[in-house]
Amino acid sequence: LAKTTQPISMDSYEGQEVNITCSHNNIATNDYITWYQQFPSQGPRFIIQGYKTKVTNEVASLFIPADRKSSTLSLPRVSLSDTAVYYCLVGDRRGISGTYKYIFGTGTRLKVLA
Amino acid sequence: GAGVSQSPSNKVTEKGKDVELRCDPISGHTALYWYRQSLGQGLEFLIYFQGNSAPDKSGLPSDRFSAERTGGSVSTLTIQRTQQEDSAVYLCASKEGNQPQHFGDGTRLSIL
Repeated sequence: LAKTTQPISMDSYEGQEVNITCSHNNIATNDYITWYQQFPSQGPRFIIQGYKTKVTNEVASLFIPADRKSSTLSLPRVSLSDTAVYYCLVGDRRGISGTYKYIFGTGTRLKVLA
Repeated sequence: GAGVSQSPSNKVTEKGKDVELRCDPISGHTALYWYRQSLGQGLEFLIYFQGNSAPDKSGLPSDRFSAERTGGSVSTLTIQRTQQEDSAVYLCASKEGNQPQHFGDGTRLSIL
């Protein structure tokens, strides 16, 4: 059964770098790996997406090793407003028909302290 | 521009009733996705539509759940004979090509 796992929670201080890893070692996919941020009572909000190696945008970096069995979201200098739950999302192609399912990670609750 | 819109934002209904949840995707997005978010199960994929192709329904939790997408745009998720375990937030997302999925804020469904 395809599964993705993340640390349940992390604490950090303002200004620090935070790295959150998602393990998806039995996902069968050639799809992008995507990370989302979610605040209470809101839908997931897109942070960054990548296929392999390293991707960087204005808010985060994403590291994907060559075997693509994991990915690491890096938030360079967190602030109090980054307190949220972070999810990875991967596609998983299964079966003869090759149909896709999309699997969210278990989510990491990040708390940023002053 | 306008994002993914879901309605209603909240729905309370009695056990055994049918409910319809609506999703208006971002204009021009050909792919549309439904997920369920509950405390015990996290974010769970239900179904997706790609253009005019028949959807893969294998992620739907039971035969009480069905979904359709009319004209390649608006989608409706229907739950028949609701049960208390159906209580959750139902999220819809849409995307185009290799772009990421964009989510609505969901419908919070409560079954009494």
